[in-house]
Amino acid sequence: ETGVTQSPTHLIKTRGQQVTLRCSSQSGHNTVSWYQQALGQGPQFIFQYYREEENGRGNFPPRFSGLQFPNYSSELNVNALELDDSALYLCASSLDGTRGYTFGSGTRLTVV
Amino acid sequence: AQSVAQPEDQVNVAEGNPLTVKCTYSVSGNPYLFWYVQYPNRGLQFLLKYITGDNLVKGSYGFEAEFNKSQTSFHLKKPSALVSDSALYFCAVRDIAGANNLFFGTGTRLTVIP
Repeated sequence: ETGVTQSPTHLIKTRGQQVTLRCSSQSGHNTVSWYQQALGQGPQFIFQYYREEENGRGNFPPRFSGLQFPNYSSELNVNALELDDSALYLCASSLDGTRGYTFGSGTRLTVV
Repeated sequence: AQSVAQPEDQVNVAEGNPLTVKCTYSVSGNPYLFWYVQYPNRGLQFLLKYITGDNLVKGSYGFEAEFNKSQTSFHLKKPSALVSDSALYFCAVRDIAGANNLFFGTGTRLTVIP
């Protein structure tokens, strides 16, 4: 059984650029959630995908968007990057969102 | 709305002593509560969860948590702390009214002193 894998592990982008982060969910999991963890804070829910459809969203602007693919892997896209977007982005997968969540190790995004 | 609070930013405990990391919750309905641990530059590792049943929940690495409905608390405990337990601990509650996502507390940094 493989866990949740995220890529890349680290990324540096310039303000105004666009970024795509990737997540492979744990085998058998059909739900993927994305979280943003700013330095010194707890993770904040961005959105969740279930069977390729967004089924929940936190308080993040539309420039944060995502996709889920038929194999349940997922992407997080952020447009028009701002300095405050610098954070650890965590992906979590689960089975139907009703049981425990398995988190990846995250992607550290730095916006300069 | 669901939320959790971790009143202590930092907890220090001597190796071998019992440890407690505090969490209180606010939910409408029955709470689904979780504890996660985060080591430096790593993601979150699941420790334990409370859904229903026994108020004392046993989890990974010798950790346990006590659910107290009257005090709306879900404190994490371990009888004997190890230096390797030093990490950042997060309490979380599941948003059963929404997408079943997790609302996290702000975290408590545990330092176990040799």
